[in-house]
Amino acid sequence: QKEVEQDPGPLSVPEGAIVSLNCTYSNSAFQYFMWYRQYSRKGPELLMYTYSSGNKEDGRFTAQVDKSSKYISLFIRDSQPSDSATYLCAIQMNYGGSQGNLIFGKGTKLSVKP
Amino acid sequence: GAGVSQTPSNKVTEKGKYVELRCDPISGHTALYWYRQSLGQGPEFLIYFQGTGAADDSGLPNDRFFAVRPEGSVSTLKIQRTERGDSAMYLCASSPRLGAGELFFGEGSRLTVL
Repeated sequence: QKEVEQDPGPLSVPEGAIVSLNCTYSNSAFQYFMWYRQYSRKGPELLMYTYSSGNKEDGRFTAQVDKSSKYISLFIRDSQPSDSATYLCAIQMNYGGSQGNLIFGKGTKLSVKP
Repeated sequence: GAGVSQTPSNKVTEKGKYVELRCDPISGHTALYWYRQSLGQGPEFLIYFQGTGAADDSGLPNDRFFAVRPEGSVSTLKIQRTERGDSAMYLCASSPRLGAGELFFGEGSRLTVL
């Protein structure tokens, strides 16, 4: 089993829809959870960063972590065509420790149609 | 510039040749990471530096890959005797400190080995 599993999609929704993107992970030692957005032929950019179970909201984006189920989600409200991109979940073992690298999911390609 | 700069943006080479990819991180960022991303996949960790030293090089696939950061700023990823399987996007990221989840990525160097 891979450390991080993410459905690659593609996912196509109409403008204004609520989008739900999900990842599961296997190791309960993972403590820090991130969502990155990657436009075509660009580098990933950080969207959300959280370390605790529960919800974190930033504008139209909500990140949700359920550590008991090892499940993380990103919700996008009122989706816009400009949200069309690949969304990557990333997890980290230990903030500030020797394990500095992130482990990424495959990414889910999202297309929001006008 | 303000962001992570990577050169070249595109590199086409022949099998067996030597390649160097350069990364100029955000000024003041002490941690620097190299990732490799194949089409349809998430970034895969290669190596990261804290200052001049490689803190973790466990992601380098074999001894044809090597990276340096001699003055704690610019880094070069070196690939010897390139193979077609090395074709991918090579992403560099920097962070204010090791272990911080907020990685700032460059636009990547797309390597094609013919």
